[in-house]
Amino acid sequence: EAQVTQNPRYLITVTGKKLTVTCSQNMNHEYMSWYRQDPGLGLRQIYYSMNVEVTDKGDVPEGYKVSRKEKRNFPLILESPSPNQTSLYFCASSLLTSGSDPPGEQFFGPGTRLTVL
Amino acid sequence: GQQVMQIPQYQHVQEGEDFTTYCNSSTTLSNIQWYKQRPGGHPVFLIQLVKSGEVKKQKRLTFQFGEAKKNSSLHITATQTTDVGTYFCAARMYSGGGADGLTFGKGTHLIIQP
Repeated sequence: EAQVTQNPRYLITVTGKKLTVTCSQNMNHEYMSWYRQDPGLGLRQIYYSMNVEVTDKGDVPEGYKVSRKEKRNFPLILESPSPNQTSLYFCASSLLTSGSDPPGEQFFGPGTRLTVL
Repeated sequence: GQQVMQIPQYQHVQEGEDFTTYCNSSTTLSNIQWYKQRPGGHPVFLIQLVKSGEVKKQKRLTFQFGEAKKNSSLHITATQTTDVGTYFCAARMYSGGGADGLTFGKGTHLIIQP
């Protein structure tokens, strides 16, 4: 089954304790992305990647890191989480036919609800 | 940064009434996508519009892309309870070369009263 998986689905942590949220897709998609969703603010893009070893900042990258060592995986790293990073996080992937074509249909993972105390 | 404005934020309708949500940008959009998110779920792709003036239909849903590629709308005819959720537009802001990030509107929450 074609899907995007995220782990963990729920996480409660404390300020300053490094954490990683994993994202994996089995559709051989080039484009992968992380979003956070907050009430009244909609979905905001954190980072995206157009292919292996290619990453770029979205609208709200501060406090986050990503890596793309393999095509299927795109982990989100919070080196020193803070309470303002409490949010619902979505990973998404899509095809990207060439560098000048827009990302196609985004397939979203189920979400990770993160609480930072 | 560049923004996509989406209105209204909330829309209450009686079941059977029509519903429309609008997205507007001050800059030309390369394309626009529409997503639906059910309560407690994740966004699900509905459609992508690329051409100026494009109109696409999916059953009771009609999607339009403006002639200037700066605005778009989603219209639902005769809403049903299954239409409940939040509808988002998402746009690749035209950068003149290379892929760019996707900017989402803040969404329109559709609430249906039976």
